[in-house]
Amino acid sequence: SQQGEEDPQALSIQEGENATMNCSYKTSINNLQWYRQNSGRGLVHLILIRSNEREKHSGRLRVTLDTSKKSSSLLITASRAADTASYFCATGGNNRLAFGKGNQVVVIP
Amino acid sequence: DADVTQTPRNRITKTGKRIMLECSQTKGHDRMYWYRQDPGLGLRLIYYSFDVKDINKGEISDGYSVSRQAQAKFSLSLESAIPNQTALYFCATSNSGKGTDTQYFGPGTRLTVL
Repeated sequence: SQQGEEDPQALSIQEGENATMNCSYKTSINNLQWYRQNSGRGLVHLILIRSNEREKHSGRLRVTLDTSKKSSSLLITASRAADTASYFCATGGNNRLAFGKGNQVVVIP
Repeated sequence: DADVTQTPRNRITKTGKRIMLECSQTKGHDRMYWYRQDPGLGLRLIYYSFDVKDINKGEISDGYSVSRQAQAKFSLSLESAIPNQTALYFCATSNSGKGTDTQYFGPGTRLTVL
């Protein structure tokens, strides 16, 4: 099955800085999605990029997808303390999602 | 009101007990999923259901069973709980009509098996 893998695992930044995290996967996909999880709570869908797209924006989020390298990145610009969370990539296809292990991001006020 | 609800939110039980976790949704989605989350292991799929008459095993179904009582309800049972089933359990839904597999999660049930 497909498997997303995020890198790095943990990131600590100052408020106002940008946060970048990466995800790699192993098989062909229909789309790649990013989710956020605040501590101990349910995952919330952030953004989806389809396999025929290279870049997508949503507010302070920018996601890129390189299908030749089977990788994606999520950039959060001008981070805020409220962005402190774990971020998961998930690859879509075959009617299911395969989630990575997550990136923990801490934004220091 | 939340679109995807889970009950109970927290449960402490003993080894060997039968436990049922319940999930309800008001989103009108046809697909429902159960995951467990363990520290450092991400989310792992236990079971999923594409409609009321369709139940499928995920990657870690051993020791679990499910029931899709209605389109809006999907319950997970641990027939005889064991300590390594201590985890955070999530229910999720998706709409097959969207064709994207985007999922919507409940708030989770924290289960502790002593």
